[in-house]
Amino acid sequence: GAVVSQHPSWVICKSGTSVKIECRSLDFQATTMFWYRQFPKQSLMLMATSNEGSKATYEQGVEKDKFLINHASLTLSTLTVTSAHPEDSSFYICSASPTSGRLDGELFFGEGSRLTVL
Amino acid sequence: DQQVKQNSPSLSVQEGRISILNCDYTNSMFDYFLWYKKYPAEGPTFLISISSIKDKNEDGRFTVFLNKSAKHLSLHIVPSQPGDSAVYFCAAITSGTYKYIFGTGTRLKVLA
Repeated sequence: GAVVSQHPSWVICKSGTSVKIECRSLDFQATTMFWYRQFPKQSLMLMATSNEGSKATYEQGVEKDKFLINHASLTLSTLTVTSAHPEDSSFYICSASPTSGRLDGELFFGEGSRLTVL
Repeated sequence: DQQVKQNSPSLSVQEGRISILNCDYTNSMFDYFLWYKKYPAEGPTFLISISSIKDKNEDGRFTVFLNKSAKHLSLHIVPSQPGDSAVYFCAAITSGTYKYIFGTGTRLKVLA
């Protein structure tokens, strides 16, 4: 099946620093990728929709200046958590869908990235 | 406003028995529904889906039932196996929007 790779799988950083998380679709092209955040015992919260070659669409309540998303190619999207604070500690997951021209109804998820801000 | 709800946060089932995970939704525009399985510290993986034009879809041990009038879907796993222990998310989408709405998940524990 399709593979989405996310890197790093876990990262620990100091408060105030920035952290970049990469999401790659390894065997398919994805015009659109999605970034989610998961809190303990809670659902996958959609943060933003990343569109190749254009600005990301952020969900209500998500700070676009804090969570910078870049989708530079059809196989790579990055999420940068800027000036990270302990409350940004979470599990971040990306997903992508093949650019098939029709809705297959199936998302492929990365392995997730555990961010811990000290 | 939680458009997709999984009211049971956890479920324990004996190995070999049936596991039934439930999901309710409120948005009548949803026309495609999916179930994902998630292990700790991993991304979700797709399990099974169903279009709103159907009321049942089966794949091996997994069957999804959709009741549109009740805005309810369920995932049946039979027989349940210890390896099925994970968190299960249901998701819903309206065709053309590409915006998947996820439920809060149900943690299934299959006891050996």
